[in-house]
Amino acid sequence: GENVEQHPSTLSVQEGDSAVIKCTYSDSASNYFPWYKQELGKGPQLIIDIRSNVGEKKDQRIAVTLNKTAKHFSLHITETQPEDSAVYFCAARGTGAGSYQLTFGKGTKLSVIP
Amino acid sequence: DSGVTQTPKHLITATGQRVTLRCSPRSGDLSVYWYQQSLDQGLQFLIQYYNGEERAKGNILERFSAQQFPDLHSELNLSSLELGDSALYFCASTRDNPEGEQFFGPGTRLTVL
Repeated sequence: GENVEQHPSTLSVQEGDSAVIKCTYSDSASNYFPWYKQELGKGPQLIIDIRSNVGEKKDQRIAVTLNKTAKHFSLHITETQPEDSAVYFCAARGTGAGSYQLTFGKGTKLSVIP
Repeated sequence: DSGVTQTPKHLITATGQRVTLRCSPRSGDLSVYWYQQSLDQGLQFLIQYYNGEERAKGNILERFSAQQFPDLHSELNLSSLELGDSALYFCASTRDNPEGEQFFGPGTRLTVL
């Protein structure tokens, strides 16, 4: 089955700096890669996603890049703000057997220091 | 607010007991996924239901079962509870097509004492 590795597990940045979180996946058939933000006591919230026919996607301060050949994808947050502090999860999804289950990375705890 | 609801928010029970967690998907979503989140294992897929039928199973223990009702809400039943079952349980719903994003509910925190 799919395996998703996520690095780093913790990340501290100064407010205004950029943050980068990287993930690798194992199944070359995976074709959808969402990123979720989870704040304390809440469920994961979808913040951006990318499909395998696209190399990069941007939404305001957040961008995701995908390298299908190397099987890795990254989340980039620019001009970080204290409210960006949370745990971020990457995930990968294939199309096996009509199920669109997600395989998640272990998460990155991002702390933005004011 | 994702539109997915889960009850209860918190559940405290004893080892050996049985509990039921409930999830209502977003309007129009036919598919419900259950995930378990623990500190050491992260978010793990348990089981998926689509329009009332089981579609896929992940790392779900035999002590756990689920069902989806005609109104599309789903219940996750956990029995013979052990201390290690303490975790956050999330459900997510989706329109379950190649373009369908998964939206998560707020979760149920289960504590087994």
